[in-house]
Amino acid sequence: KQEVTQIPAALSVPEGENLVLNCSFTDSAIYNLQWFRQDPGKGLTSLLLIQSSQREQTSGRLNASLDKSSGRSTLYIAASQPGDSATYLCAVPWGGANSKLTFGKGITLSVRP
Amino acid sequence: DTAVSQTPKYLVTQMGNDKSIKCEQNLGHDTMYWYKQDSKKFLKIMFSYNNKELIINETVPNRFSPKSPDKAHLNLHINSLELGDSAVYFCASSRQGAGEQYFGPGTRLTVT
Repeated sequence: KQEVTQIPAALSVPEGENLVLNCSFTDSAIYNLQWFRQDPGKGLTSLLLIQSSQREQTSGRLNASLDKSSGRSTLYIAASQPGDSATYLCAVPWGGANSKLTFGKGITLSVRP
Repeated sequence: DTAVSQTPKYLVTQMGNDKSIKCEQNLGHDTMYWYKQDSKKFLKIMFSYNNKELIINETVPNRFSPKSPDKAHLNLHINSLELGDSAVYFCASSRQGAGEQYFGPGTRLTVT
């Protein structure tokens, strides 16, 4: 069974800080790993998807890395802004080609002006 | 253009009623999903359909019945609603089973 852990559950930083959000998973036999953002009362927005063969993926101020062998991924946010405040979730599909997406519980980020 | 849409956005109903939630995607994806997000914000898959065929059915009470009339639509019907069914239900789709998933805005179901 795949388990995904995100620690800490909440994080508060001042505006402008570079920060790293961590995600760990127990079964390294994954196809990919996806990072999402969820704003309060809203749906999930896909931020980045890293294939199992990739080490990094970048989109604007976001950079996600993947280390399958150690069961870890990080989401790096450069020069954080108040608009980055949201819950960030990582998820991995597992269980074969028709896979279930298993989510972590998310990290709630607050960026203070 | 909305990629994955759900209706209704909010649903308030009494215990024992039957209700349906509809989902549509215009991305041309083959696989669609239903997820439940509980009061602690934990997301868990309920069902997955690939090209109208049920492929994942997690341990969900049989009061929940998904239906996929075509690969662009996946509806969720819930019979005899219970208080514990109160949650946000998300629909999602992907090009294939392990592809990037795109989520709808969610349906907040409140059972009183």
